[in-house]
Amino acid sequence: GENVEQHPSTLSVQEGDSAVIKCTYSDSASNYFPWYKQELGKRPQLIIDIRSNVGEKKDQRIAVTLNKTAKHFSLHITETQPEDSAVYFCAAIISGGGADGLTFGKGTHLIIQP
Amino acid sequence: GAGVSQSPSNKVTEKGKDVELRCDPISGHTALYWYRQRLGQGLEFLIYFQGNSAPDKSGLPSDRFSAERTGESVSTLTIQRTQQEDSAVYLCASSLMGPTSGLLYEQYFGPGTRLTVT
Repeated sequence: GENVEQHPSTLSVQEGDSAVIKCTYSDSASNYFPWYKQELGKRPQLIIDIRSNVGEKKDQRIAVTLNKTAKHFSLHITETQPEDSAVYFCAAIISGGGADGLTFGKGTHLIIQP
Repeated sequence: GAGVSQSPSNKVTEKGKDVELRCDPISGHTALYWYRQRLGQGLEFLIYFQGNSAPDKSGLPSDRFSAERTGESVSTLTIQRTQQEDSAVYLCASSLMGPTSGLLYEQYFGPGTRLTVT
């Protein structure tokens, strides 16, 4: 089955700096890669996603890049703000494949230092 | 509109007892998923329902776990003879359609049920 590795497990950056979180996946058939943000005690919420037919997607301060050859995808947050502090999860899934849900990475705790 | 809801929000039970967790998906969503999140960990996929199709139960951790869904509405996750390692937050999600449809739709998560087995 699919395996998703996520790094780093904790990331501390100064407010205003950029943050980058990286994930790798094992199954080359995976074709959808969402990123979820989970604040303490709250449900995961989708912040951005990318499909395998594009290499990059941007939404204001957030961007995601995908390298299908290397099976890497990354989340980039620019001009970080205190409200960006949360745990971020990457995930992968094969749409049109089996009866599976998302395979998640173990999460990155992002800390924005004032 | 209303999002995914789950009940109860918290459940404390004694080891060996059975528990039933409930999920109400977003109306019109044909796909429903159950995940488990242990403290400080990522989400672990348990089971997926698509419409009236029989689910693949191979993701369930043991035969003490079972899940049902009535049509395209409410789902229940039942854990029999609970063990301490079952303690976790159980999250339900729904999407307009699921991966077996060949289409990609966002999964919306519920608030979860925090299960503590003492």
